[in-house]
Amino acid sequence: DAGVTQSPTHLIKTRGQQVTLRCSPISGHKSVSWYQQVLGQGPQFIFQYYEKEERGRGNFPDRFSARQFPNYSSELNVNALLLGDSALYLCASSLRGQTNNEQFFGPGTRLTVL
Amino acid sequence: AQKITQTQPGMFVQEKEAVTLDCTYDTSDQSYGLFWYKQPSSGEMIFLIYQGSYDEQNATEGRYSLNFQKARKSANLVISASQLGDSAMYFCAMREGLTGGFKTIFGAGTRLFVKA
Repeated sequence: DAGVTQSPTHLIKTRGQQVTLRCSPISGHKSVSWYQQVLGQGPQFIFQYYEKEERGRGNFPDRFSARQFPNYSSELNVNALLLGDSALYLCASSLRGQTNNEQFFGPGTRLTVL
Repeated sequence: AQKITQTQPGMFVQEKEAVTLDCTYDTSDQSYGLFWYKQPSSGEMIFLIYQGSYDEQNATEGRYSLNFQKARKSANLVISASQLGDSAMYFCAMREGLTGGFKTIFGAGTRLFVKA
């Protein structure tokens, strides 16, 4: 069975540009969460989606947005990129996003902003 | 405020010995889940063990066990019989329910070094 997949693997952008990251959850999983992991730190929660609706949001500016599609895949969009947005972006899927649901993480997208 | 604290930036352990990685948490939610993840240098996040806030027994998964002390709000990970492949970053995380906005909060992590 395929795990969580993310694309692209690596991405280089310049300040002010916009980026879209993609995530496909494990088959049967209806919840997707996004995290930002800056080098040397723990992941920071950005969003959780369940059944195509936003169910949780972390402390990130409005430049960050996301959506979930009918097939439960998800996109994370970041507008007006800043140097500080350089990080590993992790996507995780779980059955229903509940407190007792194990999250399975994808390999991440490494974003570098120059 | 929701918070996860891992006070050990780095830990050393001799191969085949046991090691405890500390984690304390703060939440006002009654329903929450506690997780431990391992992140090797390759970057992938690997699930290790889960403990629910209403679980009375400590969770165990193979060589991993979670020492859950609810009154003290601690959820320490115990790795028995350490192996060289256990060298990695370890993160404690807490997922809250509806009251907490379904957020998952991670600690800063503990880097474990296993010595031969």
